[in-house]
Amino acid sequence: KAGVTQTPRYLIKTRGQQVTLSCSPISGHRSVSWYQQTPGQGLQFLFEYFSETQRNKGNFPGRFSGRQFSNSRSEMNVSTLELGDSALYLCASGEGDYGYTFGSGTRLTVV
Amino acid sequence: GQQLNQSPQSMFIQEGEDVSMNCTSSSIFNTWLWYKQEPGEGPVLLIALYKAGELTSNGRLTAQFGITRKDSFLNISASIPSDVGIYFCAGREVAGTYKYIFGTGTRLKVLA
Repeated sequence: KAGVTQTPRYLIKTRGQQVTLSCSPISGHRSVSWYQQTPGQGLQFLFEYFSETQRNKGNFPGRFSGRQFSNSRSEMNVSTLELGDSALYLCASGEGDYGYTFGSGTRLTVV
Repeated sequence: GQQLNQSPQSMFIQEGEDVSMNCTSSSIFNTWLWYKQEPGEGPVLLIALYKAGELTSNGRLTAQFGITRKDSFLNISASIPSDVGIYFCAGREVAGTYKYIFGTGTRLKVLA
């Protein structure tokens, strides 16, 4: 059974640009969540999608957005990048109460 | 964002020692999870707990769902160098949404 796949693994962007990150969940998982991880802030919840609908949202500005497609694949977008957006972005998929399975993450560096 | 209180924040231990860490919440949880993250990778699920008082083992790891439903504990017995990493707890509130809330992590370093 394939795991959660995130692409790309690494990304370097310039301030002001926008970026799109992709996540393919485990087959059969309808829930996809996104987290931002920085050394000082730990795992910060961005949003969760379930069957193409945003079910939960964290406390991030509107520059952070996401969507989920009918095949459960998800994308998150960050517009007008700031230096502080540099982080590891983790995607996790789940089904029912069995916890999340995380991908390896996308390391975003904003310069 | 909302996070759980996890302690200790970091610890150095000698190989062969036992390790204990815990996680507390101000609200009641119906699920507790424990993850381990190694550098450059996403967290990996170690143990899942679903009932108050539940004690579950995974090899040298043992976790417990606190009877108050507001805390959980993880013990690692006879630590080895590959236990190095960051351990996160996560929980889902009874009265909350479906999302999991994560602890701040315990960074474990094992001295050979």
